[in-house]
Amino acid sequence: RKEVEQDPGPFNVPEGATVAFNCTYSNSASQSFFWYRQDCRKEPKLLMSVYSSGNEDGRFTAQLNRASQYISLLIRDSKLSDSATYLCVVNPHMDTGRRALTFGSGTRLQVQP
Amino acid sequence: DAGITQSPRHKVTETGTPVTLRCHQTENHRYMYWYRQDPGHGLRLIHYSYGVKDTDKGEVSDGYSVSRSKTEDFLLTLESATSSQTSVYFCAISEQGGNQPQHFGDGTRLSIL
Repeated sequence: RKEVEQDPGPFNVPEGATVAFNCTYSNSASQSFFWYRQDCRKEPKLLMSVYSSGNEDGRFTAQLNRASQYISLLIRDSKLSDSATYLCVVNPHMDTGRRALTFGSGTRLQVQP
Repeated sequence: DAGITQSPRHKVTETGTPVTLRCHQTENHRYMYWYRQDPGHGLRLIHYSYGVKDTDKGEVSDGYSVSRSKTEDFLLTLESATSSQTSVYFCAISEQGGNQPQHFGDGTRLSIL
């Protein structure tokens, strides 16, 4: 089983729609969680961190469910500019000082006009 | 954007030649990482560094070596390039390591013929 799993998509949605992605992780001891956005042929960019209490940034809401070991990303009022691949990122290690993050393979979103 | 510069941005070379990729940061961050990204695999960690002269292997380190002689520079070397090392290579930095998000450079597209 992969450490971080995502539905590759693509999710094709019309402008203005609400869309949600889930991501599951295998290590229950995972400490920190992030969503990144990656545009075609570009570097990944941090979209938001995911906190235990959930967090919201404008049209974007991230939530963490430790019991079921998944994180989610909700995008409201989708814009054409939201079209990208969304990467789920987890730190699966306890020794946070040295270890790197584990990246999911990404979920592709295509917002249609 | 984080001050990260990767060089070269593009490179085409032949099998068996040595290749060195450079990552330069101006943020004075302690942690630096090298990833490769291939279709169907997402981002995979090659090596990372947690300080000057302190490095460790990631999940796909075979065929790669790294060096970090000063805080701002992290070099990735392919001693004898193979076609399987054709990929997009990303450098990332992090201020405090595992529990903190990473910020990425623009990437290097490497083709080995």
